[in-house]
Amino acid sequence: DAKTTQPNSMESNEEEPVHLPCNHSTISGTDYIHWYRQLPSQGPEYVIHGLTSNVNNRMASLAIAEDRKSSTLILHRATLRDAAVYYCILRGGIVDSGGSNYKLTFGKGTLLTVNP
Amino acid sequence: NAGVTQTPKFQVLKTGQSMTLQCAQDMNHNSMYWYRQDPGMGLRLIYYSASEGTTDKGEVPNGYNVSRLNKREFSLRLESAAPSQTSVYFCASSVRGQPQHFGDGTRLSIL
Repeated sequence: DAKTTQPNSMESNEEEPVHLPCNHSTISGTDYIHWYRQLPSQGPEYVIHGLTSNVNNRMASLAIAEDRKSSTLILHRATLRDAAVYYCILRGGIVDSGGSNYKLTFGKGTLLTVNP
Repeated sequence: NAGVTQTPKFQVLKTGQSMTLQCAQDMNHNSMYWYRQDPGMGLRLIYYSASEGTTDKGEVPNGYNVSRLNKREFSLRLESAAPSQTSVYFCASSVRGQPQHFGDGTRLSIL
């Protein structure tokens, strides 16, 4: 599976935008870029994913470089509740013969601290 | 909505004891997964079940067994617990092409 590189930690102020970078220089053409986050003492939760085009949802935006070797998760207005570890994951592996489920390989992620 | 429910939430075992971690999901998902997370690390896949009746090894399966009891339930068993298996265990489930949903974890300490 292709690997991702993220900064160990980042800091932001409440109500300011946050840009979380991820490098994935060995990404293959069919790899989706997924972002999950893990709040303290909880299991990971899905944030967003994309393939080539930028994506928006109610939680965040995902900006994908034209060559797909990097991406950025954007939180438009950070809140204290956004303090978490953010994982950038390239979807890899096929779980069932139908190819419709997949394994997730987690790195260490980026610990985001949000200051009040 | 319950989502993915894991029991127990906390457990302390002595070396050599056995234990089964339970996981149940109420979202009618066909795939289920067991991960472990050690301090300061990301999650590592132990076993997964693509569909009812099938199970496969993940990245770190040694020392564990699993049972996909039915579509809802996927259990993880430690036959002879070792201190190296002290960790937080997460269960997850998913359905075709959709993101995985995780439980809140079982914190297991082995003395």
